[in-house]
Amino acid sequence: SQQGEEDPQALSIQEGENATMNCSYKTSINNLQWYRQNSGRGLVHLILIRSNEREKHSGRLRVTLDTSKKSSSLLITASRAADTASYFCATGETSGSRLTFGEGTQLTVNP
Amino acid sequence: KAGVTQTPRYLIKTRGQQVTLSCSPISGHRSVSWYQQTPGQGLQFLFEYFSETQRNKGNFPGRFSGRQFSNSRSEMNVSTLELGDSALYLCASSLRRGPNTGELFFGEGSRLTVL
Repeated sequence: SQQGEEDPQALSIQEGENATMNCSYKTSINNLQWYRQNSGRGLVHLILIRSNEREKHSGRLRVTLDTSKKSSSLLITASRAADTASYFCATGETSGSRLTFGEGTQLTVNP
Repeated sequence: KAGVTQTPRYLIKTRGQQVTLSCSPISGHRSVSWYQQTPGQGLQFLFEYFSETQRNKGNFPGRFSGRQFSNSRSEMNVSTLELGDSALYLCASSLRRGPNTGELFFGEGSRLTVL
């Protein structure tokens, strides 16, 4: 079953705009990760935020985590056409190695 | 450093057949996990292997099985294929296991179509 729910399911923006995707989860977590998937390909890790962190940056990416609301957001600034992909949040268990993925957000960046 | 390699990339089977998928993790990675991705169910955890032992299993029927070899390479097998087994099967490797596993490194997947 899916732990995370992502919002929106699909997002279409123009190049140069910012894209924000949200993720909610249900259980206690050790960490939350964001992955990117180009159509029909494997997933690529973008960023990991631990449960005791509130915000993290990596290049044009900014991730926030609110454990009290069990939610996270991914912000991509100054988007490019090459950012077009599906983005998934994944929560890491407090005891094991399993990742539980959200349903994903399909981002389309129009040139 | 070579990434995670999955073979075959594409395959077509008919109902009732069985299939074996292979995964070679990044050199030095000892943990291998498998995920099934379908349009309806999304990404679902199948199982995890570490040091040739299954450490964790998802909610899939016994038709889905796997193993890991001493060189950390892993295979998964699906017997008595059903139409609903059509999916992208993704393998991921990591250095460690446990709650501090960190990022997973995914292969490109094996696209299985069951007719």
